[in-house]
This record gives sequence, C-alpha cells and structure tokens, in this order.
Amino acid sequence: AQKVTQAQTEISVVEKEDVTLDCVYETRDTTYYLFWYKQPPSGELVFLIRRNSFDEQNEISGRYSWNFQKSTSSFNFTITASQVVDSAVYFCALSESRGSTLGRLYFGRGTQLTVWP
Amino acid sequence: DAMVIQNPRYQVTQFGKPVTLSCSQTLNHNVMYWYQQKSSQAPKLLFHYYDKDFNNEADTPDNFQSRRPNTSFCFLDIRSPGLGDAAMYLCATSSTHGQGKETQYFGPGTRLLVL
Repeated sequence: AQKVTQAQTEISVVEKEDVTLDCVYETRDTTYYLFWYKQPPSGELVFLIRRNSFDEQNEISGRYSWNFQKSTSSFNFTITASQVVDSAVYFCALSESRGSTLGRLYFGRGTQLTVWP
Repeated sequence: DAMVIQNPRYQVTQFGKPVTLSCSQTLNHNVMYWYQQKSSQAPKLLFHYYDKDFNNEADTPDNFQSRRPNTSFCFLDIRSPGLGDAAMYLCATSSTHGQGKETQYFGPGTRLLVL
C-alpha cells in the first residue's frame, strides 16, 4: 500500500531560522515519483519539486533544498533563512509510475509552517 | 503563461441548488483532475479524465458529476449541494508524456460555500 507520512502537523520558527519538513513514504513499487507542494493561505497548490525514485541526488533551489534517501524512504525539505512569505501548508506526495498508465497522487496530511517576523 | 484557471474563485450556493465549477488549462495536458479539500485536510481526489476517459473514485458521491467537452475545459457539477460539500475544489492537470510527465499542476481553486 502507498502511504505518505508527515509527522509534523505544525512548525513555528522565527524569521531567518532554518527549518526542515519531514516526509516518509511507503510503496512497493521500484519506480515512483515524489513531490512537494506549497499551499499558501490563498489556497492554490504550488508545485515545488518532483523527484524520480532512481535519482537520489539532492537538489538545491535558492533557499530550498531537498534530501532524498531511499534507504530510509524519506524525502525531507529544508528552507534556509526562512521568511514570513514561506508561511504556508506544505504537502509531500507520492505517485507511482506505470509506464503510460496514470499513477495516483498520494498526499501526506501536510505541515503548517508559520514564520514569525 | 501556460496555466490552470478556475472560475469562479468563490461560489456561494443554496442547499440543494445545483452548481457548476469550471476549470480550463492552456498546458495542453491530457489528464485533468478534480479534488475536494476541506479545512486542515489533504486534497481528496474525486475523479479524473485520462483524455476522454472518465475515472471516478470509488468513494465519490453520486452527487458529484463531471464533464470534459474538450482538452482544455473540465467542469464539476454538484447536483444537490449539502452543507458537507462546502470546501475548496481544486482542479489539476498533468501529462502522460514528456520529461515532466505525471507532475500535477493545480489551479487556484474555487471555495464553495453552501447556505
């Protein structure tokens, strides 16, 4: 069965602090995709990153970085020098790849990040 | 810019009065999805279109229907809204081809209020 766990329901930090959002997943498939989405108060789900199961390279994009470790089935997201605008709910999600067949997107419950000035 | 557009952003309807939410996309993606998201919860998939093929989730109430007249547009019809249907409705698209395949791109959502 597929499952995504975001154990942190809420995190509060002060601006300029670094913060890591945890994501642990379960899947029986050997080929799958992992995603992070940001949902600000406006409600739109903003795509942040997609990672293939066969690509374990960590990625950095500005203040954002992602640490993918297949050995621990984790795909953690770190924001460096957080800003008030980073305040949002962050969702981790898993999709299985089945060639030309659509794979469903399984969401975690989300982590509410609040960055205080 | 290529995008997913949802109209209206806010919709107020009366209990039992049919309502239609719309979604359009300029990404030319072949898959379109409708999600329901209630407060403090993850999005819940209602159904999706894979090209013209409609795929309903097993637990989606019959009260919810969808239409996809062409590649660009998809509609969510709620035949008799109940108070429990008040939620954010999110439309998403993805492609089964290309380098970024299966990444779902979401619209801004429609907040539905049922009075």
